[in-house]
Order: sequence, then C-alpha cells, then structure tokens
Amino acid sequence: QSALTQAASVSGSPGQSITISCTGSSSDIGNYNLVSWYQQHPGKAPKLIIFEVTKRPSGVSQRFSASKSGNTASLKISGLRSEDEADYYCCSHAGMKTPWVFGGGTRVTVL
Amino acid sequence: QVQLQESGPGPVKPSETLSLTCTVSNGPIRHYLWAWLRQPPGKGLEWLGSIYHNGTTTHNPSLKSRLTMSVDTSNNQVSLKMSSMRPADTAVYYCARSPFFDYYFDYWGRGTLVTVPS
Repeated sequence: QSALTQAASVSGSPGQSITISCTGSSSDIGNYNLVSWYQQHPGKAPKLIIFEVTKRPSGVSQRFSASKSGNTASLKISGLRSEDEADYYCCSHAGMKTPWVFGGGTRVTVL
Repeated sequence: QVQLQESGPGPVKPSETLSLTCTVSNGPIRHYLWAWLRQPPGKGLEWLGSIYHNGTTTHNPSLKSRLTMSVDTSNNQVSLKMSSMRPADTAVYYCARSPFFDYYFDYWGRGTLVTVPS
C-alpha cells in the first residue's frame, strides 16, 4: 500500500486536458513543497517532469503543469497527445527518516 | 549528460544476498544523494535507501536491517547489498540521483531486473 494515493487510471481524448491527483497527509505533501512527478513509459525508467511542486526541468513540455493545495498535489496535462500515454507517479519528501514516499501510479490512456 | 548504469546478477536464489553496483558517468558523485529504488512487475515505485558521498545513509524502515550501501568516490560508484532475498523482492532495481536537500530524482539508471525464484 502506497503512502500517497492516486487514481489507478485516467483517460482523455487527444487535445483534451486531464488532471491527476495525489493525496497524502500533513506529514508529507502538506508539510513540504517538495513534490515531484515522474512519467514512465512501458519498459523504461521513470523520467522527472515536475519538481518542487510546480517546476519543470529543462526540456519538459509546457503542457505539463502542477500545483498543490493542502495535502493534495495535482498534475495537469494539457493538449493531450498519444505520447503522453504512460504511467505517472507522484512523490513527496516526508522527513529525514523517510526522504521519499510515492503514490501508486496513475495510468494515462489517450483514447 | 549524466548517465547511471546498474549492474547486477540477474537471478538470485532465495536467502542469498543481492549485490548491485551503480556506475555514474559524466558527472560527480559528490554533493548529491544517491538512491536505490525498486519496482515489482506491474507495480509502483518504492524507495529502498540512499547514501551521500560521505557515506551517510538513510534506509526505508521496512528494509533497514537487510540493506547495506556504500559509495566509492574514486570509481564513481555506489553499491547496494540486500540480504535474505525472497521471491517478493523480484523487481526492477533502479539507482537514481537527487540534488541534496531538494529531494527529487533528476537522473535514473535504466534499471536491472532481479528475479528471485520461488
């Protein structure tokens, strides 16, 4: 059982926007602005797409945006494309004894 | 471009100790946290433990007694040993880099599949 809760799957049509939520607690998401998001295509390693709640690494599409409110973080994918079909994982810092906790992942399907 | 490459044994017999090495290329070991994570087939990611270049380690509490990590700054390598392997430990094992105090993984290895037969 993952420390952070994500929906198992989300789908959308090309061009649409979707939002993936990640719910934690006051010990992780609610206490630190250290939420990151990873995209993982089948058979590949995870790729960082968001760090420190809202920041995008160089080279990551502006179609990916993120936010946080209380104990819940959210990732929005705008203008959905076929290449966005992947698993998405949220991650949060949860203190020095448990630096990272993950969500169970959300599979995004482009219809 | 920083590159991480895990090397491992493939299949591991139950009760044996797993040994993995992560070689870091095109970047320094110092001033970063180096983490080990795993992903069982069809499941999510789990952080196992992490080590700083000075050897300071942090372990997932659920695995602490089974993990040993080390860093070799001369060869730009970090290593993981996990004892008492069991079938439930079958997973792809990744090493990843985190900027210190920023707590995100900006570079990942390709991962290595470790299988523990039942």
